[in-house]
Amino acid sequence: DIQMTQSPSTLSASVGDRVTITCRASQSISDWLAWYQQKPGKAPKLLIYKASRLESGVPSRFSGSGSGTEFTLTISSLQPDDFATYYCQQYNSYLVSFGGGTKVEIK
Amino acid sequence: EVQLLESGGDLVQPGGSLRLSCAASGFIFSSYAMTWVRQAPGKGLEWVSGISDTGASTYYSDSVKGRFTISRDNSKNTLYLQMNSLRAADTAVYYCAKGVAFDVWGQGTMVIVSS
Repeated sequence: DIQMTQSPSTLSASVGDRVTITCRASQSISDWLAWYQQKPGKAPKLLIYKASRLESGVPSRFSGSGSGTEFTLTISSLQPDDFATYYCQQYNSYLVSFGGGTKVEIK
Repeated sequence: EVQLLESGGDLVQPGGSLRLSCAASGFIFSSYAMTWVRQAPGKGLEWVSGISDTGASTYYSDSVKGRFTISRDNSKNTLYLQMNSLRAADTAVYYCAKGVAFDVWGQGTMVIVSS
């Protein structure tokens, strides 16, 4: 099975900061990676798919990059609505797996 | 509007069974793989099971293999998860999701396994 490791697990940042979250796969997954945002009590929301493709309706301050085993999610200028938990997910294998999550908190 | 609506969550005793349903609307259900994802209280997302568009192929995490069965009825636009031999560790919100990069999620249904 493919293991996904996210870092950091928690991130403290201020409005306007540039934020980067990293996700590493235990083996190559090409670019079969998605990023989700989840707020408390809500279902996750797809932000990025195929490593770098922005889901329709998602603000352009979100971007994704990477291939193989190393991936990043970048928020170019953190907004108040962005304080949430973020998850990466690989779908290279039929046995899908998620990263452990990164909680973005207000500094 | 594209929508997924889960139902069937409940309080059940250890060793018991439960069937979850996920009603789909607003898209061609039979054209998409579907998935169940769960989230234990205060924890991260855990993939549970997936099924191909036709239902011919099914996939399970090691934690539920042999106990849970995923199925679908494309004539009813509905996804199911039959859960048997439930354990306390299965306590979670269960979400259904569309596709392989999950662009549509339901609101979730709570399953509590406790005596």
